[in-house]
Amino acid sequence: DTAVSQTPKYLVTQMGNDKSIKCEQNLGHDTMYWYKQDSKKFLKIMFSYNNKELIINETVPNRFSPKSPDKAHLNLHINSLELGDSAVYFCASSQVGGAFFGQGTRLTVV
Amino acid sequence: AQKITQTQPGMFVQEKEAVTLDCTYDTSDPSYGLFWYKQPSSGEMIFLIYQGSYDQQNATEGRYSLNFQKARKSANLVISASQLGDSAMYFCAMRVTNSGYALNFGKGTSLLVTP
Repeated sequence: DTAVSQTPKYLVTQMGNDKSIKCEQNLGHDTMYWYKQDSKKFLKIMFSYNNKELIINETVPNRFSPKSPDKAHLNLHINSLELGDSAVYFCASSQVGGAFFGQGTRLTVV
Repeated sequence: AQKITQTQPGMFVQEKEAVTLDCTYDTSDPSYGLFWYKQPSSGEMIFLIYQGSYDQQNATEGRYSLNFQKARKSANLVISASQLGDSAMYFCAMRVTNSGYALNFGKGTSLLVTP
């Protein structure tokens, strides 16, 4: 009964492909996020959703499209993958007082 | 703009000793929350402790405590009685209530606990 679960954990794909990462939380939180962690370990917000509504859309290429079918799910779809997209992507959810992360998805574009 | 600064890229501590990881923040918003996370080599982000800007007392969770000094805008993490398993990256983060709910992270501090 993992609180925030994202799949897959590892994703290796070729340049130009389209891929999705799924995220689900069972904490009843209203807010969900996608973060990107680069090779220097820096964590940067990509998107934030509150009650299925997009709140934050940072400067992210429009090849990245989040989708929130309901409050418990926030998926990330990436089109036309590029080498520079290689990173660890974290899903998270939060309420006041706590923010919990999924296990991360290590995306490698070859 | 909100900013989180962690000035210690790396720290060493001997087992069973206490260690303080520094974090300073900058915001003009009166309502915010401060978080600390641990990221071991396995990669997961583990939530450690939270402090709200209006909380009167410093937060504590087991061996973790947050030394919150509001006037100095600092939120240092204190780990007491360090254990070998505490070796990891530690991230400080801030969420400002009126900024769209995002957590903004510092660059992290790598802690190594030695026997």
